[in-house]
Amino acid sequence: GQQLNQSPQSMFIQEGEDVSMNCTSSSIFNTWLWYKQDPGEGPVLLIALYKAGELTSNGRLTAQFGITRKDSFLNISASIPSDVGIYFCAGQLGAGGTSYGKLTFGQGTILTVHP
Amino acid sequence: GAVVSQHPSWVICKSGTSVKIECRSLDFQATTMFWYRQFPKQSLMLMATSNEGSKATYEQGVEKDKFLINHASLTLSTLTVTSAHPEDSSFYICSAPDRLNEQYFGPGTRLTVT
Repeated sequence: GQQLNQSPQSMFIQEGEDVSMNCTSSSIFNTWLWYKQDPGEGPVLLIALYKAGELTSNGRLTAQFGITRKDSFLNISASIPSDVGIYFCAGQLGAGGTSYGKLTFGQGTILTVHP
Repeated sequence: GAVVSQHPSWVICKSGTSVKIECRSLDFQATTMFWYRQFPKQSLMLMATSNEGSKATYEQGVEKDKFLINHASLTLSTLTVTSAHPEDSSFYICSAPDRLNEQYFGPGTRLTVT
């Protein structure tokens, strides 16, 4: 089946630094999503990307949908302590078919921010 | 954004008993909901797709007789773990897509089987 490779697996950074993480896939997705999960909670949607080449920002977060539709990256600028958590990328196929709406998740990036 | 709730947030049960977990979309209707499980320090793994008014679709390797799914209404899906064993202990999370097909996740249910 489809797999997403997310890197890095973990990051330890100082407050104020910028962060970058990415996901690559062996096959094409029509939508890329980035989620953040705090311990003991469900993932929260950060950014959704719908078109190849799309670059979208949400506050200090910026994400891009790769032109090949097989990759995406997420950047966090000027990190703060509350950015700590696990970040997941997820790919979603388009409308129709038995795979409609299903998400395939990357392995996650554990982010630690030192004050 | 849309809100999805889960109940209970955590449950401890004895081996051999059954446990029911509810997933509700609070401010939107969802004909489809998804159930995931997550082991510590791992990613979310899709277990099954819950379809309102029809049978659930299970992912390969997931026992449908062990993980019973019922999608009784447009806002409620339930997952019942039957004859639970310690290896079923996990974090179970549901999600539902809104009208824009953006997936919103519930807060999760921590199941511990003793």
